[in-house]
Amino acid sequence: DAGVTQSPTHLIKTRGQQVTLRCSPKSGHDTVSWYQQALGQGPQFIFQYYEEEERQRGNFPDRFSGHQFPNYSSELNVNALLLGDSALYLCASSLGLAGSSYNEQFFGPGTRLTVL
Amino acid sequence: GNSVTQMEGPVTLSEEAFLTINCTYTATGYPSLFWYVQYPGEGLQLLLKATKADDKGSNKGFEATYRKETTSFHLEKGSVQVSDSAVYFCALTGSGGYQKVTFGTGTKLQVIP
Repeated sequence: DAGVTQSPTHLIKTRGQQVTLRCSPKSGHDTVSWYQQALGQGPQFIFQYYEEEERQRGNFPDRFSGHQFPNYSSELNVNALLLGDSALYLCASSLGLAGSSYNEQFFGPGTRLTVL
Repeated sequence: GNSVTQMEGPVTLSEEAFLTINCTYTATGYPSLFWYVQYPGEGLQLLLKATKADDKGSNKGFEATYRKETTSFHLEKGSVQVSDSAVYFCALTGSGGYQKVTFGTGTKLQVIP
């Protein structure tokens, strides 16, 4: 059973460019969350997708956008890249948004983005 | 909003030493608490969790107890191994749907032979 997969593994971009990162959730999962982890910091929540809609968003500008496809995979898009966007981007998947119970989030290995 | 504070690292211990990594949190309601581990070059793995007060999470010799009265969730292990060298993150989720995970800044543990 494949876990959460992300592509690409590494990416180098220049300031002002746009980037798209991809995530395939763990088999059977329908919810995808994205996190940004700067060097030496804990991951910061960007947003979460369920049923192809953004359900919750962290404190990130509109330059960060996403999409979820009918097969539950997801993309993270970042426009007008800044040097400060250099980070490890983590995707996590889980099963449903079941009321007050917690559904464990499984993390992918991440995409390392470097902005020059 | 929710927040997690954990002790700064790096923490360097000799093999078989006792480990404690402190973690305190701020949250409304009844959060669930977690410890994640990140080995070099790898993604985050859930190490253990506790979903209500006084619960003890345990895995691979690590333990943490959900203390609501002190808003703490300290990670402990009686005898660390070199293979435990990693970064450890304390985290929480709030109650209700649309769960997101709020992480601490991480504590790097280095275990030397």
